[in-house]
Amino acid sequence: GAGVSQTPSNKVTEKGKYVELRCDPISGHTALYWYRQSLGQGPEFLIYFQGTGAADDSGLPNDRFFAVRPEGSVSTLKIQRTERGDSAVYLCASSLTLGEQFFGPGTRLTVL
Amino acid sequence: KQEVTQIPAALSVPEGENLVLNCSFTDSAIYNLQWFRQDPGKGLTSLLLIQSSQREQTSGRLNASLDKSSGRSTLYIAASQPGDSATYLCAVRQGSLTGANSKLTFGKGITLSVRP
Repeated sequence: GAGVSQTPSNKVTEKGKYVELRCDPISGHTALYWYRQSLGQGPEFLIYFQGTGAADDSGLPNDRFFAVRPEGSVSTLKIQRTERGDSAVYLCASSLTLGEQFFGPGTRLTVL
Repeated sequence: KQEVTQIPAALSVPEGENLVLNCSFTDSAIYNLQWFRQDPGKGLTSLLLIQSSQREQTSGRLNASLDKSSGRSTLYIAASQPGDSATYLCAVRQGSLTGANSKLTFGKGITLSVRP
């Protein structure tokens, strides 16, 4: 596809469950970013990959959050023991190194 | 710590009006600045990117300016249309001696409503 894609578009889960969110970046983009957006707020940075490695994970709120990008393309954001405060829209973006960031449509996560 | 502010939070204008959306940031050592549009329930669409060495960028009816030393950017929308109704966010990428930091720091956005 031409743009960044994210699946699922919506995810409803119960408190304490484990969830995985997937991001397919634009083909050829070496950099991949995860952000989280709460209602009425701008997106907040979570983690940045350059290739397969996490170059900056300073935005992950705690050790329940983890992300991987094993082959330098698709990335998965994993959240363990979900809490109601994790409810938000999770956005993925990709770019050429230091280039313009292009965003996907997001995954809306609701923790009941 | 970089902080990005967009005021006001919401704006309503009649169709056809030219308008300016403001963005300010606290740390002027930026690598670039991006303006985005977000429609309700959707992701972000990149509108314009200005490198720190540039003063402005134009795309169609949109013009973005950057005054790095004063920590300000403006997005000018000419001849506004109802289809321009959306939330507009600005975001800065920090610069550093070794290159640019990876992340974007966003403002909260300005929700624009253009009345027919």
